[in-house]
Amino acid sequence: QVTLKESGPAQLKPTQTLTLTCTFSGFSLSTTGMCVSWIRQPPGKALEWLARIDWDDDKYYNTSLRTRLTISKDTSKNQVVLTMTNMDPVDTATYYCARVVTAQLDAFDFWGQGTMVAVSS
Amino acid sequence: QSALTQPPSASGSPGQSVTISCTGTGSYKYVSWYQQNPGKAPKLMIYEVTKRPSGVPDRFSGSKSGNRASLTVSGLQADDEADYYCSAYAGGNNLYYVFGTGTKVTVL
Repeated sequence: QVTLKESGPAQLKPTQTLTLTCTFSGFSLSTTGMCVSWIRQPPGKALEWLARIDWDDDKYYNTSLRTRLTISKDTSKNQVVLTMTNMDPVDTATYYCARVVTAQLDAFDFWGQGTMVAVSS
Repeated sequence: QSALTQPPSASGSPGQSVTISCTGTGSYKYVSWYQQNPGKAPKLMIYEVTKRPSGVPDRFSGSKSGNRASLTVSGLQADDEADYYCSAYAGGNNLYYVFGTGTKVTVL
């Protein structure tokens, strides 16, 4: 059974750095083809893809946010971490992590429940 | 990497069909569709344009022609009422994903 769960701070102040952790089970990020992405959704708005990390440690980022994002993994802990620097109120959103099995099902097949992050002074 | 365009809303009566368009997918090989209920995470409904994951009813179908992908929900049921998002995937060295603007489906 594949599950993912996001964790991190519920509130941040402008200019602070956000660190989110995705803890997953039911698959291993050391298995060929396995990937984890981060996606966010501001209140009442559409989804936005942020980043992806692959089993072979390849990393991909949304070009418009690239300078602010870092994605990493700890395979032994079944965790993926996303950091986003210089947070702004416009970054207020629910942040999701989701699995991708590339070359099999190039889509987000399992999602976490999401974690809401509010940025305010 | 512009967002894909979807109509803000669509509706139909129980038993009818509704089709949601997603414009801007011409250059993408892979299109997927997600259903999102209020306060919940999205759920994958269609991947690789036409394929359904295990457990998704065959009332949901996907297609693509030129620059437009479509999701059709046949035999509308009350619990189909939700927001639906398309997504396109560009692989390779400059890999990225882009989502649609979202469509609220209302079952009348």
